[in-house]
Amino acid sequence: AQSVSQHNHHVILSEAASLELGCNYSYGGTVNLFWYVQYPGQHLQLLLKYFSGDPLVKGIKGFEAEFIKSKFSFNLRKPSVQWSDTAEYFCAVNASSNTGKLIFGQGTTLQVKP
Amino acid sequence: SQTIHQWPATLVQPVGSPLSLECTVEGTSNPNLYWYRQAAGRGLQLLFYSVGIGQISSEVPQNLSASRPQDRQFILSSKKLLLSDSGFYLCAWSVGPGGIGNQPQHFGDGTRLSIL
Repeated sequence: AQSVSQHNHHVILSEAASLELGCNYSYGGTVNLFWYVQYPGQHLQLLLKYFSGDPLVKGIKGFEAEFIKSKFSFNLRKPSVQWSDTAEYFCAVNASSNTGKLIFGQGTTLQVKP
Repeated sequence: SQTIHQWPATLVQPVGSPLSLECTVEGTSNPNLYWYRQAAGRGLQLLFYSVGIGQISSEVPQNLSASRPQDRQFILSSKKLLLSDSGFYLCAWSVGPGGIGNQPQHFGDGTRLSIL
């Protein structure tokens, strides 16, 4: 069965530190990849997405993610985090082009200390 | 611009009672609609999706059902709630060409359901 794994459940960083959140999926075919973020008290929103082309995708607020097909990974990165990046981050994969089924990881809670 | 509304925001129900959660989308037509559930400490699990009025696909066997009586309305229901139905329920929509699998989804604020 398809699955998505986020290795870090809770990450605590100081401001200006670099961030990398791991995401691995299990599916051998073509995938669409997403990172969603949920800031405290807000709804889940799209951070960035990969469908095809350049495997390094840039999203909002300085985030980027790299799709490495050979490693089945789509890790999220940010060179320098801010206190306002405190949120829960979800990796999601769609492996079916004719449905909208998203398989989500368990989520990673990021806490940035000022 | 498009907006999505879910209500109620929180709900406490006794075991065995019925359930009706409503989701509506504004500012778009013929959206694809989804219901997800997030149990404590777990990721989101897709429960139902719909590509059109009256078209419902169920992803997991469960005590819940979904209906789409109008183009932009998606309802999650149960005739008799179980303790295991507790969780956070999210409605989402997507729209666009090229197949619905590669379109981002936009989420509502969710309903926190507690079963006593």
